[in-house]
Amino acid sequence: KNQVEQSPQSLIILEGKNCTLQCNYTVSPFSNLRWYKQDTGRGPVSLTIMTFSENTKSNGRYTATLDADTKQSSLHITASQLSDSASYICVVISQAGTALIFGKGTTLSVSS
Amino acid sequence: GAVVSQHPSRVICKSGTSVKIECRSLDFQATTMFWYRQFPKQSLMLMATSNEGSKATYEQGVEKDKFLINHASLTLSTLTVTSAHPEDSSFYICSARRGADTEAFFGQGTRLTVV
Repeated sequence: KNQVEQSPQSLIILEGKNCTLQCNYTVSPFSNLRWYKQDTGRGPVSLTIMTFSENTKSNGRYTATLDADTKQSSLHITASQLSDSASYICVVISQAGTALIFGKGTTLSVSS
Repeated sequence: GAVVSQHPSRVICKSGTSVKIECRSLDFQATTMFWYRQFPKQSLMLMATSNEGSKATYEQGVEKDKFLINHASLTLSTLTVTSAHPEDSSFYICSARRGADTEAFFGQGTRLTVV
């Protein structure tokens, strides 16, 4: 069964600190993996898109990694800001692009 | 990135009435649009997939007669919640993409409250 598991479920960190969110998946065959940021009451916004052959991709303070062998991805946030408080969702797309499998998300709270 | 606009962003309606939510792709033609529902602190749940000019494909457990989806043009899809009940209160999100292998962009969501 295609599944995407994210951990931790929630996380609280101090402003300025770094954090890493995890995503494990069992989707096969696999096309690409995406990390989205969803602010409360808003739609998801894409942070990174990684294909099977990519190991790491950065977008500002966000760095995503992908290990296709172990089917794991991580999202590292550097020097967190209050505006980083949101839900971060890992989405895996099947090879045919026909299915988007969503993780349940990690809720990040950044406090001052 | 491409822009997908949803309208309205918030709506309150009485039980038994119907409410329509619009999803527009503003700067590209969307061959496929998706409708999701999200409960508090839950992930997005796919309700249905619609391809322009054809009937929507509903996920198991989603009542097609209750959640009417129309995708009459390449830039507009609508979701109509008919005979709304308080348990239909939720956050509804659409996404749109050009083709099968392209990124899907999300709308900003619609908060529906049925009183």
